[in-house]
Amino acid sequence: QSALTQPASVSGSPGQSITISCTGTSSDVGNYNLVSWYQQHPGKAPKLIIYEVDKRPSGVSSRFSGSKSGNTASLTISGLQAEDEADYYCCSYAPSNTLLFGGGTDLTVV
Amino acid sequence: EVQLVESGGGLVQAGRPLRLSCAASGFTFDDYAMYWVRQASGKGLEWVSGISWDSGTIGYADSVKGRFTISRDKAKKSLYLQMNSLRADDTAHYYCAKGSSGWYGSPFASWGLGTLVTVSS
Repeated sequence: QSALTQPASVSGSPGQSITISCTGTSSDVGNYNLVSWYQQHPGKAPKLIIYEVDKRPSGVSSRFSGSKSGNTASLTISGLQAEDEADYYCCSYAPSNTLLFGGGTDLTVV
Repeated sequence: EVQLVESGGGLVQAGRPLRLSCAASGFTFDDYAMYWVRQASGKGLEWVSGISWDSGTIGYADSVKGRFTISRDKAKKSLYLQMNSLRADDTAHYYCAKGSSGWYGSPFASWGLGTLVTVSS
């Protein structure tokens, strides 16, 4: 079980769009449409923002969107806002009833 | 409102056991998959274990397999994590999470505030 690969950090200006990648293998990300994304502010519990690659839970802003191509999933945040500054984690279902997280990406809104 | 309240964390010596509990309310506990996720200080999230609504499907991360056991109690609406042979690298904040459905592998839709486990060597 190796963690999914995410960039350690990304940054963007208010109003811009950013994309965070999440790379796995043909056994996990590439094999299941079961990728989810979580937002975590400092000192807080994570929050689900995308599930099953591109679905948004009720109440999550439409500025958040997800996609997948091959073994790489992506989270795009459009119209960046200061409140989007947080850590973001991807997660994928994997063989043998396991789940894998990415290492996390620190988003800075400059 | 969904509430998940973890308990049982604390300071424990390496090699000793500890049992975490998660009390659930605000939803029909029997209908949902449940999970444990941990986070060491300043580090990322790590999935630890999961259990389907009927306990028919259970999974563990390689890092805890053979040492940790997940279980759930329908009557007490509680999730448990029995942790044996604890190691220093098990030190982390442990979160209880509710799946979005009963199906094992459903995303972590709700989270508790977590309980801190510190293993001294």
